[in-house]
Amino acid sequence: SQQGEEDPQALSIQEGENATMNCSYKTSINNLQWYRQNSGRGLVHLILIRSNEREKHSGRLRVTLDTSKKSSSLLITASRAADTASYFCATDANFGNEKLTFGTGTRLTIIP
Amino acid sequence: NAGVTQTPKFQVLKTGQSMTLQCAQDMNHNSMYWYRQDPGMGLRLIYYSASEGTTDKGEVPNGYNVSRLNKREFSLRLESAAPSQTSVYFCASRKTGLIFYEQYFGPGTRLTVT
Repeated sequence: SQQGEEDPQALSIQEGENATMNCSYKTSINNLQWYRQNSGRGLVHLILIRSNEREKHSGRLRVTLDTSKKSSSLLITASRAADTASYFCATDANFGNEKLTFGTGTRLTIIP
Repeated sequence: NAGVTQTPKFQVLKTGQSMTLQCAQDMNHNSMYWYRQDPGMGLRLIYYSASEGTTDKGEVPNGYNVSRLNKREFSLRLESAAPSQTSVYFCASRKTGLIFYEQYFGPGTRLTVT
């Protein structure tokens, strides 16, 4: 079963606007990761946030984590056409388990 | 560095045929993974290998076998392909240690079973 569920499933915004997508998960985690997938390609890692962190930034990306609500959000600021992709959250539940569990993804379309 | 490579990129099989998907990584990673991706389902873990010589089942292992040939290579075998195995298959690898690391993905193999 999927650990993470992204919301919304699809999002279309104008170039330059900010995009926010959310991820909810079910069990306790050690960390949560966000990945991007361009059409027809493999996934690329964007950012990792540990369970003891609440917010993390990387360039135009901002990730928050609320372990009490078992949720995370990914904000992409000043969106560009190249940000058009699917975005997945993935959770690392148990250290030593070596497995990530992926959500179902948000399809983001940036309209030029 | 080539990263994670997968062969073939595309494959069409008839029901009942067998094939092996190949994966190799040149990053000296300990852990390797096989996923399948179906529309609207995200990625589901088929098998993984935490280190050379070990393999473990993931969420959807039925109908598949794997071999961790050495530290670099991790293959996925379909012994008797079924239409339900039509999917895009991704291999990934990951460094392991005392902190958490991200996974690196290959470009995928698009498999159609008729």
